[in-house]
Amino acid sequence: GEEVAQTPKHLVRGEGQKAKLYCAPIKGHSYVFWYQQVLKNEFKFLISFQNENVFDETGMPKERFSAKCLPNSPCSLEIQATKLEDSAVYFCASSQTPGNQPQHFGDGTRLSIL
Amino acid sequence: RKEVEQDPGPFNVPEGATVAFNCTYSNSASQSFFWYRQDCRKEPKLLMSVYSSGNEDGRFTAQLNRASQYISLLIRDSKLSDSATYLCVVLVGFGNEKLTFGTGTRLTIIP
Repeated sequence: GEEVAQTPKHLVRGEGQKAKLYCAPIKGHSYVFWYQQVLKNEFKFLISFQNENVFDETGMPKERFSAKCLPNSPCSLEIQATKLEDSAVYFCASSQTPGNQPQHFGDGTRLSIL
Repeated sequence: RKEVEQDPGPFNVPEGATVAFNCTYSNSASQSFFWYRQDCRKEPKLLMSVYSSGNEDGRFTAQLNRASQYISLLIRDSKLSDSATYLCVVLVGFGNEKLTFGTGTRLTIIP
């Protein structure tokens, strides 16, 4: 598609439950990025993919967070055993060649942990 | 020190006024620079890329000073629809392709 599509828009989970978020990048974009936005507009980079390969995972919490981009499927970000502090908006972005081209963002998934 | 620093504001300016935002970045190896705007916790949208020679897009002018590691955004003849949070965003490049965001500057245009 011509937009980054993220689902669901909102996700509510009880503490300790699993949460899974999805992202379909713009057609033709080979790079996918996940960012977490918590209060006060602070964006935190989580992980990036080049096609189905992890490109940079330096922002991923070592435990509980995992992500995949498989061929012919939306990319996914999964959080196991969610904690209250995981409440945030999770944005996915895609790009052709990120060094030269800007990243385009999806609408985000608002995750609320109760 | 944060990698990208912005004045958080808020800036409250009357319609028609000119407003300027500043941003500094700490990594001298940074290669690409952008201004994004974000409305009410929606997704960030690219406003403009910032080039070394400076660039203009309608009422918006962006400047980059690599020596001072300083980026600016000027909005002329501000309109109510300009009310948003403006995010200064930097990309290091050369294998480090993640975006690094400033905390944003909140702008409200007053009728």
